[in-house]
Amino acid sequence: GAGVSQSPSNKVTEKGKDVELRCDPISGHTALYWYRQSLGQGLEFLIYFQGNSAPDKSGLPSDRFSAERTGGSVSTLTIQRTQQEDSAVYLCASSLLPGGPGELFFGEGSRLTVL
Amino acid sequence: GENVEQHPSTLSVQEGDSAVIKCTYSDSASNYFPWYKQELGKRPQLIIDIRSNVGEKKDQRIAVTLNKTAKHFSLHITETQPEDSAVYFCAASSASGGSYIPTFGRGTSLIVHP
Repeated sequence: GAGVSQSPSNKVTEKGKDVELRCDPISGHTALYWYRQSLGQGLEFLIYFQGNSAPDKSGLPSDRFSAERTGGSVSTLTIQRTQQEDSAVYLCASSLLPGGPGELFFGEGSRLTVL
Repeated sequence: GENVEQHPSTLSVQEGDSAVIKCTYSDSASNYFPWYKQELGKRPQLIIDIRSNVGEKKDQRIAVTLNKTAKHFSLHITETQPEDSAVYFCAASSASGGSYIPTFGRGTSLIVHP
C-alpha cells in the first residue's frame, strides 16, 4: 500500500514560467487537499476535492493557480506565470472521509523555487 | 471562516520535562481537532486527534484536552525525549456543507535538549 505520492520533489523555475505539480493519492481516498507551506509558516489551504462534487477553490491565492483531479484520482496543481512569492513547499494530502472528518495522509511535498 | 491561533511558536525544553502547546479556534461549529507532527524535511503525520464529544484523550506520553466553551485545545507531551523534537501543528475542522477542510495553526517548533 503506497502512500500519497507527489512529483516532482524539487522544481526550480524562472519567474514567469508555468509549473505543474502532480499528486497521486492513496487508492480509495475520496478527498484530496492541496496545502502550501512557506518557510517558517503554517499550512495554507489551497483547494479541496471531494468525490464528484465541485472543488472548493476558496484558498487559491490568485487566478494564476488552478487544479484539477481526473477520474477521482490523480490531481495536478498548475501555477501560471510564476512569481518569487510562489516559492514554497506544496503539500498534497488525501483522506478516506467515511462520513466524517478524519486523518489526512500527506505526501512528501513538491519544493518549488522561483528564481 | 475558521481561524486557528497556536502558541508558542517555539518551545525549548530539557529531556524529561513536559511540553504544552495551546491552540484557540473561532468557529463554534468545529468538531474535529487533530494534531500533526512534522520532523525536519518530512511530511506532517497525525499523532493524536479529539472530537467535540470528549474533553480529553491520551495515548502513552501524549494527551490532548478540549474546552469547547472557551474554544481552545491543548497538546501535552510528558517525559519529553530528543526524538520529540519537531514542528507540531494543531488544526480545527467542521463539516461545512459536507466539506471537511482542516484549518491549521502556524506551528510550534519543539526542541528537546538531551
